[in-house]
Amino acid sequence: KAGVTQTPRYLIKTRGQQVTLSCSPISGHRSVSWYQQTPGQGLQFLFEYFSETQRNKGNFPGRFSGRQFSNSRSEMNVSTLELGDSALYLCASSLRARQYEQYFGPGTRLTVT
Amino acid sequence: GENVEQHPSTLSVQEGDSAVIKCTYSDSASNYFPWYKQELGKGPQLIIDIRSNVGEKKDQRIAVTLNKTAKHFSLHITETQPEDSAVYFCAAGEEGGSYIPTFGRGTSLIVHP
Repeated sequence: KAGVTQTPRYLIKTRGQQVTLSCSPISGHRSVSWYQQTPGQGLQFLFEYFSETQRNKGNFPGRFSGRQFSNSRSEMNVSTLELGDSALYLCASSLRARQYEQYFGPGTRLTVT
Repeated sequence: GENVEQHPSTLSVQEGDSAVIKCTYSDSASNYFPWYKQELGKGPQLIIDIRSNVGEKKDQRIAVTLNKTAKHFSLHITETQPEDSAVYFCAAGEEGGSYIPTFGRGTSLIVHP
């Protein structure tokens, strides 16, 4: 069974721009969660989507948003990028909502200059 | 909200030795405690987990123990091998509830051949 895939793997953007990251969960998994990983703050939860609805949200500004499609694929969008948004963005999938037996993708490394 | 403390931040052992990583949590509502291994350039990989109705769980060379009263849980790796070298994260959360999974800051395990 294929694992979680994320595209692109690497991205360089300029301050003020916006970015969209994509995540395809493990086949059959309906929940997708997004995390931000930085050396300073560690792994932080952004939000979770299940059945195309946001089920849970972390403590991030509204510039961070997401959506989920009917095939469970998910996208995350960050608008008006700031230097501090440079991070590894990870998505994780699980069978059900709010189930923490999660399987992570390799991440998208975002660099904001 | 939940607060997870993880120690030590770095652990250096000789091949064949045992390694122990400890985490404490603050919220008594947390009932799910996973451990992840993250290798360079990869996303975290779920290696073992424990739920609050169990005190100990083993899987070959790795084991996790949970003390609900003291609110701490530990990862034990026996007969360490160089390929065990990675960053290990603990996490705590209320599976099925409204809590957001909270991660420890990670332990960099180095196994010297």
